[in-house]
Amino acid sequence: GDSVTQMEGPVTLSEEAFLTINCTYTATGYPSLFWYVQYPGEGLQLLLKATKADDKGSNKGFEATYRKETTSFHLEKGSVQVSDSAVYFCALSDIYGNNRLAFGKGNQVVVIP
Amino acid sequence: DTAVSQTPKYLVTQMGNDKSIKCEQNLGHDTMYWYKQDSKKFLKIMFSYNNKELIINETVPNRFSPKSPDKAHLNLHINSLELGDSAVYFCASSQLEMGGQTQYFGPGTRLLVL
Repeated sequence: GDSVTQMEGPVTLSEEAFLTINCTYTATGYPSLFWYVQYPGEGLQLLLKATKADDKGSNKGFEATYRKETTSFHLEKGSVQVSDSAVYFCALSDIYGNNRLAFGKGNQVVVIP
Repeated sequence: DTAVSQTPKYLVTQMGNDKSIKCEQNLGHDTMYWYKQDSKKFLKIMFSYNNKELIINETVPNRFSPKSPDKAHLNLHINSLELGDSAVYFCASSQLEMGGQTQYFGPGTRLLVL
């Protein structure tokens, strides 16, 4: 079945550092790809998405490009802030799967002042 | 205006009890979902309803029974609660007919079974 793999472990970095979170996927159809963010004690919010190959999603300084050739959707931000501390989830959905979201395990990001 | 709301936000109960969680969306979406997030933050789909019809039913114990009285509501009833049911349960909604639709999540219900 469809699945998403995120890099292992929490990510700790200093304010204004460059952030990358790796995400790769396995899918039989033509999935849409998403990054969701979960702030402490809250639900999930869509951060950005891309619905076809080579699309770039962007929001709040975050970017990710849908790379079909490497089946990847890595998340990047050039200069993180303390307020970016959260858990980040990569996910995919496919209309043939009734749009169920398959999530990666999530990465806790901690930004230190 | 709250787009997807859940009640209660917190639920603490004893093993063996029966409890319900309610979800409502005011986005006009035709599809609603229940997800379970375990203690390691892993999220997994449980159920989905499209226009009150069950379309996703993952491998979930039959103690869990979803009910959708109308397109805007999807409730989750859990019988004979077990310790392992302790988790955060999220409701979400979206439109189904096209791919790539964003799912909007509720704030979650934190269930603790003692």
